[in-house]
Amino acid sequence: EVQLVESEGGLVQPGGSLRLSCVASGFAFSSYWMSWVRQAPGKGLEWVANIKQDGSEEYYVDSVKGRFTISRNNAKNSLYLQMNSLTADDTGLYYCARPLFEGSGSYNFDYWGRGTLVTVSS
Amino acid sequence: EIVLTQSPAILSLSPGERATLSCRASQNINNYLAWYQQKPGQAPRLLIYDASNRATGIPARFSGSGSGTDFTLTISILEPEDSAVYYCQQRSNWPPLTFGGGTKVEIK
Repeated sequence: EVQLVESEGGLVQPGGSLRLSCVASGFAFSSYWMSWVRQAPGKGLEWVANIKQDGSEEYYVDSVKGRFTISRNNAKNSLYLQMNSLTADDTGLYYCARPLFEGSGSYNFDYWGRGTLVTVSS
Repeated sequence: EIVLTQSPAILSLSPGERATLSCRASQNINNYLAWYQQKPGQAPRLLIYDASNRATGIPARFSGSGSGTDFTLTISILEPEDSAVYYCQQRSNWPPLTFGGGTKVEIK
């Protein structure tokens, strides 16, 4: 059974940092691009970042470029999101998500974690 | 950036009725469009990918159509459990991958 389990988020002050983790199981983690998608309270879905299977390529939504870093450890079946210089606009539920197919080009997500809440507030 | 516009914002229908949800892209995305269902307190669920392919385990009452800039998700016979917010998402031209703003389907 495919599972994606995010680490606990938390309350962070504006300008602070937080690192999210996602542990994957039940599939060949190293064969898939992986993604983070977020959802502000009561709002829609927003793609945040993608990382290639071997970590050699990373892509971000403009609003987080230079502040967030996506990474992975295939030996630990783990995906990470380092978030720096956080603002209130970064508040939301952060999902780890797996695309439908292995390889490249399949950026529709068939497995999602339960999400972890990040709250940026003083 | 490709903008996806969903309509209507809210759709209120009775069980057994047909629901038609629209997603319009700001430029040609071929057939690279997916649909998701999200219920309160749950992660999104992939329904349709590449415009018309049902994901594994998705009931046949859900169907997708369209290409280019105009896409439709149809729920042929609404069930009470179909009450949810539905999002479209494109993968044609990225980054960024983008989602529509959502359509809330209410069952009367």
